[in-house]
Amino acid sequence: DAMVIQNPRYQVTQFGKPVTLSCSQTLNHNVMYWYQQKSSQAPKLLFHYYDKDFNNEADTPDNFQSRRPNTSFCFLDIRSPGLGDAAMYLCATSGGQGRTDTQYFGPGTRLTVL
Amino acid sequence: EDQVTQSPEALRLQEGESSSLNCSYTVSGLRGLFWYRQDPGKGPEFLFTLYSAGEEKEKERLKATLTKKESFLHITAPKPEDSATYLCAVLNQAGTALIFGKGTTLSVSS
Repeated sequence: DAMVIQNPRYQVTQFGKPVTLSCSQTLNHNVMYWYQQKSSQAPKLLFHYYDKDFNNEADTPDNFQSRRPNTSFCFLDIRSPGLGDAAMYLCATSGGQGRTDTQYFGPGTRLTVL
Repeated sequence: EDQVTQSPEALRLQEGESSSLNCSYTVSGLRGLFWYRQDPGKGPEFLFTLYSAGEEKEKERLKATLTKKESFLHITAPKPEDSATYLCAVLNQAGTALIFGKGTTLSVSS
């Protein structure tokens, strides 16, 4: 089945130690998104790629960066994680034929910062 | 400012007891309204997209409807496996980010 895959599902890092989360998709969608979801809160968009064009939300901290080396993969880099960065990180994709606005989410990566 | 409000925050039902979840929105040009289901510790699972007032979509025990100001997610004869948080989100004409409500947490007991 076509899907959005995130690895790892759970990530533990130390305060200040860089971490990379990965997302891959078999949907062949041209848009990929990274959302942050803290406990009992709604998902919040960090940035998205429209093909290779990177778009940063205005309030996304500089500590967060992203790479999209090809259509299928997208990475979220957190350069110096703080305790406040502990959250679920969700990757989503949209695109394809017909109405293309629906975003499909992966299972998420739960990040713990010690 | 674009905004989505979901009610109630939490809903407890007995198995078979039908009910509705509400999503009211204010948005500068609706491009789409989306319903997702989210289980604890997992990503949102897509349920429905609605584009214009009067549109309805159905899937098993769920039916979503849309007016110019709100959307309803009707749950008919729910089962315990329908227990989850249901998220409503809108997309405006100018934006890319889904604007989410805080969700309704549904618990169905047998």
